[in-house]
Amino acid sequence: GNSVTQMEGPVTLSEEAFLTINCTYTATGYPSLFWYVQYPGEGLQLLLKATKADDKGSNKGFEATYRKETTSFHLEKGSVQVSDSAVYFCALSFKNRDDKIIFGKGTRLHILP
Amino acid sequence: DAGITQSPRHKVTETGTPVTLRCHQTENHRYMYWYRQDPGHGLRLIHYSYGVKDTDKGEVSDGYSVSRSKTEDFLLTLESATSSQTSVYFCAISMGGQTPNQPQHFGDGTRLSIL
Repeated sequence: GNSVTQMEGPVTLSEEAFLTINCTYTATGYPSLFWYVQYPGEGLQLLLKATKADDKGSNKGFEATYRKETTSFHLEKGSVQVSDSAVYFCALSFKNRDDKIIFGKGTRLHILP
Repeated sequence: DAGITQSPRHKVTETGTPVTLRCHQTENHRYMYWYRQDPGHGLRLIHYSYGVKDTDKGEVSDGYSVSRSKTEDFLLTLESATSSQTSVYFCAISMGGQTPNQPQHFGDGTRLSIL
């Protein structure tokens, strides 16, 4: 079946460090891929998305490239800030009748000042 | 903000009592979803709706029912709450249908504790 696997956290980095959060997927067909972010006490917010192979999604300094050959969608940021501390979810969906999204289990990121 | 309101935001109740959580949207989106979020499990889909009176089960639907009598409201009911249903519950909406691969927009969650 379809699934998303992302690296377990927590991930702890110092401010201005380079960030990578790995995400791989298993899917039949060609899903759209998403990264969502959840700040403490809030719901999930869409961070970025990519809808086809080789697409790069970007937002707020974060980037992720849809790699069909490696079935991956790794999240990267060149210089993290304390305000990036949150839980990050990788997800996929297919265009179909119900638009359901399959989420990874989330990766907690903690940035030290 | 996507115009989603969940109520209540917090609730503590006892085992065996009925509980209803409400999700209200002002976006007129067709699709609505209920998830629960638990440590180590991420988000798991409980039920979803693709229109008024059209609902279907997600991966963890046992012990839950839903109703959607109006486009803007999607209710989640625990008929007889159990401690295993202690969780944070999120409602989400999406345009769905003709617009492909639209992201879902989430409410701020309801923290439910069953004692």
